[in-house]
Amino acid sequence: ETGVTQTPRHLVMGMTNKKSLKCEQHLGHNAMYWYKQSAKKPLELMFVYSLEERVENNSVPSRFSPECPNSSHLFLHLHTLQPEDSALYLCASSQVTGATYEQYFGPGTRLTVT
Amino acid sequence: AQSVTQLDSQVPVFEEAPVELRCNYSSSVSVYLFWYVQYPNQGLQLLLKYLSGSTLVKGINGFEAEFNKSQTSFHLRKPSVHISDTAEYFCAVSLSYNAGNMLTFGGGTRLMVKP
Repeated sequence: ETGVTQTPRHLVMGMTNKKSLKCEQHLGHNAMYWYKQSAKKPLELMFVYSLEERVENNSVPSRFSPECPNSSHLFLHLHTLQPEDSALYLCASSQVTGATYEQYFGPGTRLTVT
Repeated sequence: AQSVTQLDSQVPVFEEAPVELRCNYSSSVSVYLFWYVQYPNQGLQLLLKYLSGSTLVKGINGFEAEFNKSQTSFHLRKPSVHISDTAEYFCAVSLSYNAGNMLTFGGGTRLMVKP
């Protein structure tokens, strides 16, 4: 595997379900991000982990819970979601201690809440 | 806080024609600038970036962008587009001093290349 991978690629869940999204980066980076991409809305940064510590939580509802067990893995735990949470969830990684600054993105998980 | 405005939500263009996608930003401090492309059902891919130095930046797939500090713009150009360039393009800005390399994205521009 290379780059940033995300599983599953598609997920359909009911409002009472609990599920998790997984992201893994194979780039040796030390920061990881979750974004939400909805139709007709700009990309929304949800969570940032830098050096395995959360540095940003953009007022995301508590029904979204991130977990970063190490620098290569990032999870987004989902519970009691709403239909408006249906979106493409993108994971990204970057190297915060280098001089490159760009983020590398995974292919995303298309989430549908029914 | 910084913000990014992409002035056109859609840009239709014929194949082999030139194209410019516009991006303006606002920030009171120095920034780094990026253009990303997103093909259908895929994540974002970096096209090019401006960190410092020459204001004309060349990227992948024949794209280039010019940083204009006085106009706070970073427009993306390609002299001759192909059908395969049809995609969504995002401009993004990062404060030059921020823990976590956080990016602020514009709303995106859908480039539609017609035969």
